[in-house]
Amino acid sequence: SQTIHQWPATLVQPVGSPLSLECTVEGTSNPNLYWYRQAAGRGLQLLFYSVGIGQISSEVPQNLSASRPQDRQFILSSKKLLLSDSGFYLCAWSLAVKNTEAFFGQGTRLTVV
Amino acid sequence: KQEVTQIPAALSVPEGENLVLNCSFTDSAIYNLQWFRQDPGKGLTSLLLIQSSQREQTSGRLNASLDKSSGRSTLYIAASQPGDSATYLCAVRRNDMRFGAGTRLTVKP
Repeated sequence: SQTIHQWPATLVQPVGSPLSLECTVEGTSNPNLYWYRQAAGRGLQLLFYSVGIGQISSEVPQNLSASRPQDRQFILSSKKLLLSDSGFYLCAWSLAVKNTEAFFGQGTRLTVV
Repeated sequence: KQEVTQIPAALSVPEGENLVLNCSFTDSAIYNLQWFRQDPGKGLTSLLLIQSSQREQTSGRLNASLDKSSGRSTLYIAASQPGDSATYLCAVRRNDMRFGAGTRLTVKP
């Protein structure tokens, strides 16, 4: 069966520090991968999605970047965090086939102080 | 760019009541629509997936409908229970997947 792993679960980082959040999927190949951010009490904002290795679509220009170094690995990074980067970050995957469900990781609660 | 709207933003009902949550989207060229549940501080749990060619899907006390041409979906919850209290999110998928802001449901015992 397929599983998605996202870590760490919580993270407290100072302003100006770098960030690296990792998401990996097991039990499938060539998935679509997604990064979302959810501000407190708000909906999910799509940050990046990827339909294959090295193929990243960016939704919101900001100081975040994403990379997909391997088929089932999706990394969210920042060189210098801002206070406004605080939030709940969620990774998701789906099969590339159109009519299939998407599944989410458990999320990373990031607090920038 | 696809815009997804959910109404109401919050809903409080007594236990046992039937209720309807609404989701609308601006671009009907979607592959599917998916309803999720989110408990506070947690990730999302998939409830129902409706393919673009389908009109509705049912799972237990949940029934979701899709009218793609008018850009609307509803989630019907029958005989609500306190354990149904959560935020309900709809998402429409093409290559990307876009969400509404959710409906926060409270079911009072």
